[in-house]
This record gives sequence, C-alpha cells and structure tokens, in this order.
Amino acid sequence: DTGVSQNPRHKITKRGQNVTFRCDPISEHNRLYWYRQTLGQGPEFLTYFQNEAQLEKSRLLSDRFSAERPKGSFSTLEIQRTEQGDSAMYLCASSLRLSNSPLHFGNGTRLTVT
Amino acid sequence: KNEVEQSPQNLTAQEGEFITINCSYSVGISALHWLQQHPGGGIVSLFMLSSGKKKHGRLIATINIQEKHSSLHITASHPRDSAVYICAVRFSQGGSEKLVFGKGTKLTVNP
Repeated sequence: DTGVSQNPRHKITKRGQNVTFRCDPISEHNRLYWYRQTLGQGPEFLTYFQNEAQLEKSRLLSDRFSAERPKGSFSTLEIQRTEQGDSAMYLCASSLRLSNSPLHFGNGTRLTVT
Repeated sequence: KNEVEQSPQNLTAQEGEFITINCSYSVGISALHWLQQHPGGGIVSLFMLSSGKKKHGRLIATINIQEKHSSLHITASHPRDSAVYICAVRFSQGGSEKLVFGKGTKLTVNP
C-alpha cells in the first residue's frame, strides 16, 4: 500500500491555460473523490467515482472542469481556460465501497493561476 | 441547508493540557469523520464514527446523534499535535456520498 499519489505537487500556470492533474488511488479502492481547498477553508466536494462511473458532481464543477477515471484506477482532473479563482489545493481521496470505510487522502496538487 | 460548524476556530494550549474541539451539524448524518491536516496539505483520517465513542492513543472522539454534536479530545497534548483538525460529515438526506467539511480548528501546542 503506497497510499494515494497525486501529481504534480505544485502547478503554476497563466490565466487561460489548461491544466491536468492526476490521482493514483490505493489499488483496491473503488471509490475516488476530488475536493478543492482554498486558504483557511475546509475542503469542498467536487466529484466522485465508483470504479469508472462518475456518480456525483458538485455544482461547483463548472463546464471548464472535467474529471475522468477511464479504467477505474487512476483519475484525471482537467481545468480548461484557467481563472485566478481556480487557485487552490486540489485533493484526491479514495476508499473502499463499504459504508464504514475510511478515506485516504493524497497530499494534493497546489494550483496557482497568475 | 446542510452545514458543519466547528469551534473554536483557533486554539492555543500548553503542552500537557487536555484539549477539546467541537463540531455541530444541521441535519441527520450517516457518518462523521475527524481528520488532521498538517502544513503542506496532507490530510490523515483520525476517526470515522456514527455513534458512541472511539479512542486511539491520546485521541478520543465522541458523537451525540440526538444533539447533532461531536467532540474530539486530545489528552496530554504535545507540540507534535499542532495541526488543523477538521470535522466532516456525510449527510443521510438524498443518499449523497460526498463529505461536507467544517472550516477546521487550528491547534497550536506550545512546549
């Protein structure tokens, strides 16, 4: 068990550029979550997958955001035409499907849009 | 509205003190998590509970379903306990799997 891995750790981009983040969950975990956290706030839910199916999306996830988990393993989160307000820590977490299964978080990708 | 409130927002303690962090939520839940976040972002799950009390080392988490309230206690606090402690709940309405997070309590334990 190598834990949840997120890449890159940091990303600095110019406004208007597209960015893509990757999350590798714990291998046997079939649930994968994306959260966003801004300074001084708790994480906010963005979306979650059960295997390859995206089962829930937050209204925070505008049309510029898209997430995939094509083979039910790793996931990508893409932000198109980035805006300064997208600057945040993007956190990925995974868990088993069981209702009492704890969440395991990655260390996050910190995005700065200049 | 499904909300999670934590108190206090900031807490400073001397090493050895008993610490309590509180979490209140607005409607019925299926699970409540206590999480620890260190500078740099990494989040560690401390407890997940839906009733009663859990203990792990110096940490104790309790939940009162009727009062919609949970507490995280740290006994014999130590400077290495300094971190942000976050409460997160899964609301039972609507069958959503998402967690709703509180804003966190920043704990500083001085030697």
